[in-house]
Amino acid sequence: QQPVQSPQAVILREGEDAVINCSSSKALYSVHWYRQKHGEAPVFLMILLKGGEQKGHEKISASFNEKKQQSSLYLTASQLSYSGTYFCGTETPISRLTFGEGTQLTVNP
Amino acid sequence: EAQVTQNPRYLITVTGKKLTVTCSQNMNHEYMSWYRQDPGLGLRQIYYSMNVEVTDKGDVPEGYKVSRKEKRNFPLILESPSPNQTSLYFCASQGQGNQPQHFGDGTRLSIL
Repeated sequence: QQPVQSPQAVILREGEDAVINCSSSKALYSVHWYRQKHGEAPVFLMILLKGGEQKGHEKISASFNEKKQQSSLYLTASQLSYSGTYFCGTETPISRLTFGEGTQLTVNP
Repeated sequence: EAQVTQNPRYLITVTGKKLTVTCSQNMNHEYMSWYRQDPGLGLRQIYYSMNVEVTDKGDVPEGYKVSRKEKRNFPLILESPSPNQTSLYFCASQGQGNQPQHFGDGTRLSIL
């Protein structure tokens, strides 16, 4: 079953922060995050495994709450290059990666 | 360089004319998958393969076929394409053990 992402779209000014959420109705084994620029292939950002870990890369980080079956992606001090569509993908113990519908992020100067 | 290669990148064709989109990966990945992407609908899985000769339907398999005769190749076949299959298609592969999916550059199909 497809995970649910929120919000569907967000518009920021450069330097502002954003949070994108991903939730599932099923017990999750892992959560993947990808970013896609218009017309290009999705690009991998990070994987989070069950255990509530938080990962980060520079100003983009994510958390995974196994009990709530939710993950959040945090974008801090956004840059113009952060614009794109963000997808979460979820894996369960019995199914492979299923993607959400995406969150369109626009960062304006 | 590790990569997933799709061909063609763009194709305009007519209803009913059989076509094949090829996908090849050089990472020795067991798992491969095909997605279609339409505005507002995210990435919907068409078919996937866990290994050679092992394939299964995804969420939107109608009108498509796949085969996995070799580990590196996973072609997508549209035997009788229709206009509602106009879309952007991505092939992806994934290794075992909490690995990311690697995507091809995409194939934009227009069926008139």
